[in-house]
Amino acid sequence: KNQVEQSPQSLIILEGKNCTLQCNYTVSPFSNLRWYKQDTGRGPVSLTIMTFSENTKSNGRYTATLDADTKQSSLHITASQLSDSASYICVVSTGGFKTIFGAGTRLFVKA
Amino acid sequence: DAGVIQSPRHEVTEMGQEVTLRCKPISGHDYLFWYRQTMMRGLELLIYFNNNVPIDDSGMPEDRFSAKMPNASFSTLKIQPSEPRDSAVYFCASSPPAVFGADTQYFGPGTRLTVL
Repeated sequence: KNQVEQSPQSLIILEGKNCTLQCNYTVSPFSNLRWYKQDTGRGPVSLTIMTFSENTKSNGRYTATLDADTKQSSLHITASQLSDSASYICVVSTGGFKTIFGAGTRLFVKA
Repeated sequence: DAGVIQSPRHEVTEMGQEVTLRCKPISGHDYLFWYRQTMMRGLELLIYFNNNVPIDDSGMPEDRFSAKMPNASFSTLKIQPSEPRDSAVYFCASSPPAVFGADTQYFGPGTRLTVL
């Protein structure tokens, strides 16, 4: 069964600290993996997209990694800011736009 | 560009009523997606269009749901009749021409639907 599991479900960190969010998937065939940031009351915003051949991609303070062998991805946030408080959603595509969404990790950054 | 535009932003209706959600994609984007988000099920892809043609509607939950894209700048998602379990946030997203479906999708602000 195609599944995307994210951990932790929620996370609280202090401003300025780093954190890593995890995404494990059992999706086949694999086309690409995306990380989205969703602020409360807003639509998701794409952070990174990685295909099978890419194992790391950065977008400012956000760095995503992909291990296609172990079917794991992580999103690392460096020097967190209050504005990083949001839900982070991992999405895996099997081909075309057939997508499986993770439940998301809710990140709270405290001053 | 103003981004993806959705209307209304909030809709409250009574069970059995028809609901129409509207979306204007980003100009030049030839893919359009409709999603639903609930606390229980998270984000779900309902249907997507390419060049105004529905490509995959396997995510549409029931025959009560229908979507149209009469032209490149407008799409509707209709629920008739609506039920309380349809209460959710409905997002529209658009994307430029994609290679292997890997291009970025741009989401609208969503329509929060409440069916009483």
